[in-house]
Amino acid sequence: DADVTQTPRNRITKTGKRIMLECSQTKGHDRMYWYRQDPGLGLRLIYYSFDVKDINKGEISDGYSVSRQAQAKFSLSLESAIPNQTALYFCATSDPAVSTDTQYFGPGTRLTVL
Amino acid sequence: GQSLEQPSEVTAVEGAIVQINCTYQTSGFYGLSWYQQHDGGAPTFLSYNALDGLEETGRFSSFLSRSDSYGYLLLQELQMKDSASYFCAVTGGYQKVTFGIGTKLQVIP
Repeated sequence: DADVTQTPRNRITKTGKRIMLECSQTKGHDRMYWYRQDPGLGLRLIYYSFDVKDINKGEISDGYSVSRQAQAKFSLSLESAIPNQTALYFCATSDPAVSTDTQYFGPGTRLTVL
Repeated sequence: GQSLEQPSEVTAVEGAIVQINCTYQTSGFYGLSWYQQHDGGAPTFLSYNALDGLEETGRFSSFLSRSDSYGYLLLQELQMKDSASYFCAVTGGYQKVTFGIGTKLQVIP
């Protein structure tokens, strides 16, 4: 079984709709991250959480919100989706006790906003 | 803020050696990491340097010079399966991780 899972894997939605992407992990890591990937732009950090009560904005948080429901779950919401949020979204985890820098990625969610 | 620069594309021959460079700017520095991503897949961790010098893991090595804000990934004995994108990532102030735009490596026969 995968250690980091994301649901859904693919989603097509319309402009203005609210959508939630979910991430779950069984690695027992405290730190979780949401990234989006666009061609030619690499991975850009949206939000990150160092524990359930610690949530921080990344470089491109506008238009997104997150919820850390438990150590194992970190959800990303688009309150009112727009076409330029069409991208590949990755969730990742890390364990500072081992190495802050080693991030374990989920399989990704491909989101299309029409 | 944090920023990184790496080449967008590199082509190399199977069996050869290729070096992918990365320069970075950051306020505060914890380490430089490298990730591999095949088309359609998720990034996977390759290596990490917190101190100056060379780290070797099988065919892959990574080098860091903190004084030059520079690092590189060295891939030896290239194989066709090494064709992928390679990202450098810097961990800076507040342990925030920033990724480069990625280098697409094409290995040709």
